[in-house]
Amino acid sequence: DQQVKQNSPSLSVQEGRISILNCDYTNSMFDYFLWYKKYPAEGPTFLISISSIKDKNEDGRFTVFLNKSAKHLSLHIVPSQPGDSAVYFCAATPGAGSYQLTFGKGTKLSVIP
Amino acid sequence: DSGVTQTPKHLITATGQRVTLRCSPRSGDLSVYWYQQSLDQGLQFLIQYYNGEERAKGNILERFSAQQFPDLHSELNLSSLELGDSALYFCASSSGGNTEAFFGQGTRLTVV
Repeated sequence: DQQVKQNSPSLSVQEGRISILNCDYTNSMFDYFLWYKKYPAEGPTFLISISSIKDKNEDGRFTVFLNKSAKHLSLHIVPSQPGDSAVYFCAATPGAGSYQLTFGKGTKLSVIP
Repeated sequence: DSGVTQTPKHLITATGQRVTLRCSPRSGDLSVYWYQQSLDQGLQFLIQYYNGEERAKGNILERFSAQQFPDLHSELNLSSLELGDSALYFCASSSGGNTEAFFGQGTRLTVV
């Protein structure tokens, strides 16, 4: 039973455009959500997070939106750059500070120059 | 560089064997987490140690065990290996509280 789902295995976007990566979850106990970026041969790198008390968190070109009623979150990257090409993982946990993360299977983003 | 060191980077071993994966957390981090990334399952939480004590268990098989030593480094022991244990094994560390976890580069285990 997949509690965190990223239904798009891959996404291609033109450089300069917006990338939107989506994530759905089923467990109502999840309270804190994170996005990680992973390049080949490297470990996941933390990108941005959001607590369930917020519906939006912004950090530079990256914005995460949370819709609790729909159990859906999305990561927006604006503008997309070729260096953003990586696999993006959505993750969730019952509380901030707990890194017993439940991950989605990832979305491979390709930003085309 | 996340500051989390995992050794070895690659490991090839035969079925039925036992291996030990090592993780050195970032300086000062008390929590160590182990994750397994396989092709079909994605990243799965295995186990967490905090300052030498087991804090939480996830989907860790009975053939697997871990420990965290007084110097805070951690080892993940995998025994009676099966082909299906082939995966990337990641270690992450955090200082606890509302701080993010940093991941190592992983150990790629291949069981043949």
